[in-house]
Amino acid sequence: GQQVMQIPQYQHVQEGEDFTTYCNSSTTLSNIQWYKQRPGGHPVFLIQLVKSGEVKKQKRLTFQFGEAKKNSSLHITATQTTDVGTYFCAGHRRFGAGTTVTVRA
Amino acid sequence: DTAVSQTPKYLVTQMGNDKSIKCEQNLGHDTMYWYKQDSKKFLKIMFSYNNKELIINETVPNRFSPKSPDKAHLNLHINSLELGDSAVYFCASMGGDYGYTFGSGTRLTVV
Repeated sequence: GQQVMQIPQYQHVQEGEDFTTYCNSSTTLSNIQWYKQRPGGHPVFLIQLVKSGEVKKQKRLTFQFGEAKKNSSLHITATQTTDVGTYFCAGHRRFGAGTTVTVRA
Repeated sequence: DTAVSQTPKYLVTQMGNDKSIKCEQNLGHDTMYWYKQDSKKFLKIMFSYNNKELIINETVPNRFSPKSPDKAHLNLHINSLELGDSAVYFCASMGGDYGYTFGSGTRLTVV
């Protein structure tokens, strides 16, 4: 069946550094979504990418959708303590395993 | 004015009991879902309803029975609870290009 894989599972980041989380699907996706779940909270929708090669930015967050529409990435620059949480990608109702981000001040 | 509200927030119960979780959305969305999040934070779809009709049932044990009395409500009834049912259950709705709107979750603990 269709799978959505996400790496890394954990990301420990020094405050101010950049990091990237990657998402890969076993099948071509019509779109991909990204969510953020704060500790103890629920997933919150961040963005949806639809077009091949699409790049979208939200302040320090940059989202990319691959040319083949099978992979995506989320890049965060100058990490802040407010970025703590788990970031999920999702496609065709399937969620990746998430990348849990912790920040060292 | 919560968009997707589910109750209860916490549920502690003994093995073998039957329990229900309720979900309501006021967004006017046609499609609602139940997701299960395990201790490793993995989110797995359980059911999806579109305008009261079941459209997805992801090989969930038949001890789990969803019910949608109208498109704004999707409840989840669980019979004969087992230890492995312990998890956080999220209700969600979706409309347009704005992704899922999740409820705050129900943390179910079976003892």
